[in-house]
Amino acid sequence: GEDVEQSLFLSVREGDSSVINCTYTDSSSTYLYWYKQEPGAGLQLLTYIFSNMDMKQDQRLTVLLNKKDKHLSLRIADTQTGDSAIYFCAASKSTGGGNKLTFGTGTQLKVEL
Amino acid sequence: ETGVTQSPTHLIKTRGQQVTLRCSSQSGHNTVSWYQQALGQGPQFIFQYYREEENGRGNFPPRFSGLQFPNYSSELNVNALELDDSALYLCASSSGPGNTIYFGEGSWLTVV
Repeated sequence: GEDVEQSLFLSVREGDSSVINCTYTDSSSTYLYWYKQEPGAGLQLLTYIFSNMDMKQDQRLTVLLNKKDKHLSLRIADTQTGDSAIYFCAASKSTGGGNKLTFGTGTQLKVEL
Repeated sequence: ETGVTQSPTHLIKTRGQQVTLRCSSQSGHNTVSWYQQALGQGPQFIFQYYREEENGRGNFPPRFSGLQFPNYSSELNVNALELDDSALYLCASSSGPGNTIYFGEGSWLTVV
C-alpha cells in the first residue's frame, strides 16, 4: 500500500522561509495535499497539487512536485509565529472503491523570534 | 471554516460501550470519509460513503460501522470500545470521490 514519509521536526526563525519535505511511494496518486493542524484542532486544507503539475503557488505557499522521485515539498515564505503547527502531507488515490488519503506522520514546525 | 461540522466535540466512554459520532458535510458535498487520528500520528482512513453506500474501507475491524443519510450527513458507530480507540475522529467531505477533501474539527474520544 501507499506509504508517506515526512521529517518530524523543523525549526525556523520568524521571517525566514520554511521548507517541509515529503516522500510517497505510490506513483498513481492523483492529488497531493498539505494540511495544517494546530493544537487541539482539526485539519485545515492549505493547498493541493494535481499529479500532472510540478509547481503551484498560492500567496506565501509554494508546492513543488517531483513525480519521478515521488517527492513533494511545501515552502512557506516569510514564516510567522502563527505558522507554528503540525503540517501533514497526504496522497490521494482513487480506486474502484472510492478515494482515500494516506497521511504522513506530520512535521512539527516551530517558528522562533 | 470548512462547513464540515462534527458532534460531539469531546466525549468519554467506558471500555465495552458503544459510541456514535455525527458529521454534517459541507453544502453540496455528497461524499463523506472518516479518519482516526491517534495521538502523535497522522490520520488513518476508516471508510468512505458516497450516495449512502460504503465506497471504500481501510484496515479497521467490523465493529467500526457507518451510515450516510439522504442529506449526506453521516454517522460513525464504534461498538465494544477498546482503550486503543481513544483518538481524534475526523470527518471529511468532498463533492465527489475524486475531489478536494475538507475536514471538520473532529470529535475527541477518550475510552477509560
